[in-house]
Amino acid sequence: DADVTQTPRNRITKTGKRIMLECSQTKGHDRMYWYRQDPGLGLRLIYYSFDVKDINKGEISDGYSVSRQAQAKFSLSLESAIPNQTALYFCATSDPGQPYEQYFGPGTRLTVT
Amino acid sequence: AQKVTQAQTEISVVEKEDVTLDCVYETRDTTYYLFWYKQPPSGELVFLIRRNSFDEQNEISGRYSWNFQKSTSSFNFTITASQVVDSAVYFCALSEARGYSTLTFGKGTMLLVSP
Repeated sequence: DADVTQTPRNRITKTGKRIMLECSQTKGHDRMYWYRQDPGLGLRLIYYSFDVKDINKGEISDGYSVSRQAQAKFSLSLESAIPNQTALYFCATSDPGQPYEQYFGPGTRLTVT
Repeated sequence: AQKVTQAQTEISVVEKEDVTLDCVYETRDTTYYLFWYKQPPSGELVFLIRRNSFDEQNEISGRYSWNFQKSTSSFNFTITASQVVDSAVYFCALSEARGYSTLTFGKGTMLLVSP
């Protein structure tokens, strides 16, 4: 089984809908991240969390919120989706002992129509 | 603030050609890590290499090699005798060694290797 899983893998939703992307990990890592990838822009950090009580905004947090329900779960929500949030979303984890080693999930392709 | 620049948006080569992907970075930290990732058409991110700022030795792994030069703040990636399977988007990334250690990515270079 994959160490970092993301659900759903693909999602098409309409403008204005609320949507949640979920990330689960079995690596036992404390640190979790959400990135967004747009063509030609690389990956940009949305939010990151170092433990259940630690949530931090990244470079592009506007329009997003997160929830760290447990050490192993980190969810990203779009409260009211808009078309320019169409992107590929990646979750990642890292261990405090090797924080520079980030393990990425397979990605969620989100389309907002 | 950290910054990673991959000036080459897209590169096209014919199979068996050598190709170098450029990466230039900016950071105020003296200790940091540099990475290369590959993203094939299937979309997942494949980790290729991590290099810390104190290790300037070049590295070779099969057809892949990396040239790290602190003097020019560059961490270039060369594929020797390219193959069609090398077609992908390649990302260079930078992480500080302290604090939250978040990754700053370049915009990526799309490599197209044709037969």
